[in-house]
Formats: sequence, C-alpha cells, structure tokens
Amino acid sequence: GQNIDQPTEMTATEGAIVQINCTYQTSGFNGLFWYQQHAGEAPTFLSYNVLDGLEEKGRFSSFLSRSKGYSYLLLKELQMKDSASYLCAVVDSNYQLIWGAGTKLIIKP
Amino acid sequence: DVKVTQSSRYLVKRTGEKVFLECVQDMDHENMFWYRQDPGLGLRLIYFSYDVKMKEKGDIPEGYSVSREKKERFSLILESASTNQTSMYLCASSSGNIGSDTQYFGPGTRLTVL
Repeated sequence: GQNIDQPTEMTATEGAIVQINCTYQTSGFNGLFWYQQHAGEAPTFLSYNVLDGLEEKGRFSSFLSRSKGYSYLLLKELQMKDSASYLCAVVDSNYQLIWGAGTKLIIKP
Repeated sequence: DVKVTQSSRYLVKRTGEKVFLECVQDMDHENMFWYRQDPGLGLRLIYFSYDVKMKEKGDIPEGYSVSREKKERFSLILESASTNQTSMYLCASSSGNIGSDTQYFGPGTRLTVL
C-alpha cells in the first residue's frame, strides 16, 4: 500500500528552528508538496520538490531524498504565526496525490 | 490571486437529507477536486474533474456524487446524508497537470449530520 508518515505533533520555541520530517512509500514518485494549514482555514502551498536537494524560500526550506523516500521542511526564526499544521503530499506514478495526516506545530513564546 | 470559494462554512443536516456543497473558482482552472478531512487522517479524495462534465472517482466516492456543468463550479452531492459523513469538506482547483500542479483550496465546509 501507499503510505506517508509524519509526526503527529511538534512543539518549538519562538525564534528557534524546527525540522518536520516526512517519509513515504508510494508506487512511483513524481514530486512532493508541503502545504501549511492554519486551524479552521484552507491549506496553502509552501513548496514542491521533484529533484533531490534543498530548496530555500525565505525562512522555509524543503529537502528531498528520493533514494531514501524522505523529505523535511525546515522552519527558521520561528514566529507565533507559524503555529499550524504542515501537510506532506506525494505525487505517485499515476499522478495521484497521496496525503500525509499532517504535523501540528505548536510554537511557544 | 486565485480564489476558491465554498457556499457554506458550517452546515448542519439530518440523516437522510440530500446535501449540496458548492465550490466556485475564479482562475479558469481545468481541474477541480473534492476532499474530506478528518482528524488523524490525511486528506482523502472523493471525486475530481479535469474538464466540464467530466468526473473521476477518487479514493472514497461511496455515498457521494458530483456535478460540473460549468468550468468554474464543482458541486458535491450527498444523496442521503449519514452520520459518518460528518466531516470537513475541502474543495480545490488547479491548472495543467492534474497530479503535479499546485492545488488551491477553498476555506472548507464543516458538515455535521445529526
């Protein structure tokens, strides 16, 4: 079967750095998305990786290793507004999106 | 900015009622999707559409149907609502490649079936 694993919940301190991991086992791979979802709101696009390596976008970076079936989202200089759920989703060989359950990130002052 | 709107933020219905959830996008996107989101589970795809009048089943289509008569509008229909359909329903749209292009989501409809 197809599976995406993310930690259920993480806690970090304002101003710190946090890494949210995502591991996947899917039938094929055509890219990996990260979305952010604040409580009660729509998911919004953060990043898309299809090649190995790190992509940086401001305070957020996303890393992919296809050989390891692994990605992480790195958030730097955490702010209270970063408190949200972070969703990992993989595009499989049929170009279907497989979604993880999401990681709830709690930021403490 | 892409805008996806859903007809209601909150909806309460009774078991057996027919329920319509409406979604409209203003970016001329070809693809539209309906998901449900439940605690502890990833987004689960109910139906998607890649063109007007075209529809494809997702992972959990049972108990649902859809309609896409116009490009900008995608409706989800619960023919006879049941309590296990209590959930958050999210609509999304995208252009281009149906799998690998960014999806833009509406704010969601929280449906409670009593």
